[in-house]
Amino acid sequence: DAGVIQSPRHEVTEMGQEVTLRCKPISGHNSLFWYRQTMMRGLELLIYFNNNVPIDDSGMPEDRFSAKMPNASFSTLKIQPSEPRDSAVYFCASTRTGGLAFFGQGTRLTVV
Amino acid sequence: AQKVTQAQTEISVVEKEDVTLDCVYETRDTTYYLFWYKQPPSGELVFLIRRNSFDEQNEISGRYSWNFQKSTSSFNFTITASQVVDSAVYFCALSDLEGDSNYQLIWGAGTKLIIKP
Repeated sequence: DAGVIQSPRHEVTEMGQEVTLRCKPISGHNSLFWYRQTMMRGLELLIYFNNNVPIDDSGMPEDRFSAKMPNASFSTLKIQPSEPRDSAVYFCASTRTGGLAFFGQGTRLTVV
Repeated sequence: AQKVTQAQTEISVVEKEDVTLDCVYETRDTTYYLFWYKQPPSGELVFLIRRNSFDEQNEISGRYSWNFQKSTSSFNFTITASQVVDSAVYFCALSDLEGDSNYQLIWGAGTKLIIKP
């Protein structure tokens, strides 16, 4: 299996632009998680989906952030408009019920 | 509330020394999982171990060993005869079991381990 695939690996964008991060979970996994990692706050859970349905989005910082999971093999995290404080590494992870969480390699986002 | 504390922000040792990374957790759940993940300089998160709350047996995997003690709510990680390649940030995490299905991970802040040649 190819593992959890995230794209792009790196993204540099200007403040105010829309940013879309993509994630392909491991086939057969029914839960998907989006995390943000910063030096100040460590790893934070932003949102997670179970069977494509958002379960808990309490970690989403504000309305500028939105996440979708249109099917079992794809999810997006969108930031619109982006701000410099959104600069971080964003991880996607997937798991099957009660199983281990496997992480993608992350997307390093820099907003200038 | 669930919480994971990794009090050691950074540890630096010379190669071949043994090193222990501390992890203390808080939870009201009686059933939970504890994890260690490694994040090497390349940035990805690598799973190391999962332990469920009913299994207090210590585990050894090569140079890695884990000491789980429910009495002190600790799940410490020891690297024996450390190597430069062990340099990474190590995260301890606790699962917050929701019903009988999915869970989310509560993360410690991480410990940066530097192994000097």
